[in-house]
Amino acid sequence: QSVLTQPPSASGTPGQRVTISCSGSSSNIGSNTVNWYQQLPGTAPKLLIYSNNQRPSGVPDRFSGSKSGTSASLAISGLQSEDEADYYCAAWDDSLNGPYVVFGGGTKLTVL
Amino acid sequence: QVQLQESGPGLVKPSETLSLTCTVSGYSISSGYYWGWIRQPPGKGLEWIGSIYHSGSTYYNPSLKSRVTISVDTSKNQFSLKLSSVTAADTAVYYCARWVVVAATFDYWGQGTLVTVSS
Repeated sequence: QSVLTQPPSASGTPGQRVTISCSGSSSNIGSNTVNWYQQLPGTAPKLLIYSNNQRPSGVPDRFSGSKSGTSASLAISGLQSEDEADYYCAAWDDSLNGPYVVFGGGTKLTVL
Repeated sequence: QVQLQESGPGLVKPSETLSLTCTVSGYSISSGYYWGWIRQPPGKGLEWIGSIYHSGSTYYNPSLKSRVTISVDTSKNQFSLKLSSVTAADTAVYYCARWVVVAATFDYWGQGTLVTVSS
């Protein structure tokens, strides 16, 4: 059971816009920034979005992130076949046991 | 270009200690940033284990804290993970990564190494 909740799957056709949600609580998303990672099959995760909506150098502007309250979203516009991957959200959690990093359970994106 | 490479035994027996090392190239650990470990059981999601600064300051996942030790060797530009009393549930791909602590962002990752816990 992951601290951050993501839908297990999402899908879209080439060219379409797809969004993936990430739901948390006041101790994590509600009070900290959100990061998104893309994991292509058989590879290590790659940073896709940091600090809610910032793209690292080299990440296409088709990828965008947003946050509102205790939820965050990743949007992918102009969907391409190479976007088929697992996507994870992550954030600090200010727990009583000390701050720690929490991940969502991941969303498998299928390009139909 | 920052590069990280995990190394260590791929098979560990139950109740023993898992030990992995991450070698960093293209960046000096002593220059800053935290450095962390993340794991991923087969077919499952990501779990943060802990992170360390070159000074030795650490953050640990509370659920693993009692079994985890992360250390750093700046002379070798390496940091290491020890996880004690392992069980089959600790079978996973273990990744090392550079960590921007303020935003809890892992910006550079190693390729990962599979560690299987089995007798």
